[in-house]
Amino acid sequence: QLLESGGGLVQPGGSLRLSCAASGFSLDNYAMSWVRQAPGKGLDWVSVIDVTSSYIFYADSVKGRFTISRDNSRNTLYLQMNSLSGEDTAVYFCAKNTAGWLQPLDFWGQGVLVTVSS
Amino acid sequence: DIVMIQSPDSLAVSLGERATINCKSSQSVLYSSNNKNYLAWYQQKPGQAPKLLLYWASTRESGVPDRFSGSGSETDFTLTISRLQAEDVAVYYCQQYYTTPQSFGQGTKLEIK
Repeated sequence: QLLESGGGLVQPGGSLRLSCAASGFSLDNYAMSWVRQAPGKGLDWVSVIDVTSSYIFYADSVKGRFTISRDNSRNTLYLQMNSLSGEDTAVYFCAKNTAGWLQPLDFWGQGVLVTVSS
Repeated sequence: DIVMIQSPDSLAVSLGERATINCKSSQSVLYSSNNKNYLAWYQQKPGQAPKLLLYWASTRESGVPDRFSGSGSETDFTLTISRLQAEDVAVYYCQQYYTTPQSFGQGTKLEIK
């Protein structure tokens, strides 16, 4: 199971930190990703991190504002989101890559809603 | 960046009939060293997380019914659902994982006619 938390309502320019806790398997064998979905819209890839945190990539739309990280000892993935705007309003899914970071996403959390509004 | 375009945007098919969804990438997602297409298909039902259906363009994920199949190579791909069932109503997305930023198609909404 992947369980996201940390979402909620935040004002423009604010920050949030999302967490994704894994249970039933060990995160440290897999790359992990974040994907978001704005209300009524399609899937939007956000970021990926490899097993050792050596390879980290971001969508251009979040580069410099979002930071992905992981704590394998806690079996948890994170997404630090800064300088948020209305365009970041979405459900954020964490997802497990089948193996490395150039692999499909075979297991997804249920998502957490982030709303950016004043 | 690789742009993924799906067609059609929506599709209505009768129960028991075939549904075909197309996906075109702006550049090849075939990795020559292993001859694999870095292309996946996902199904998303309302209020649910996406579910992986196919990867490497045509390999079915464990537990996915064999009425789901994928084909294509390089830049042109197809998801086919033979013998459509009511439970197949969903939005379907293709995704390239050939390079970052990874990207999804805009989605195709499949309904029952």
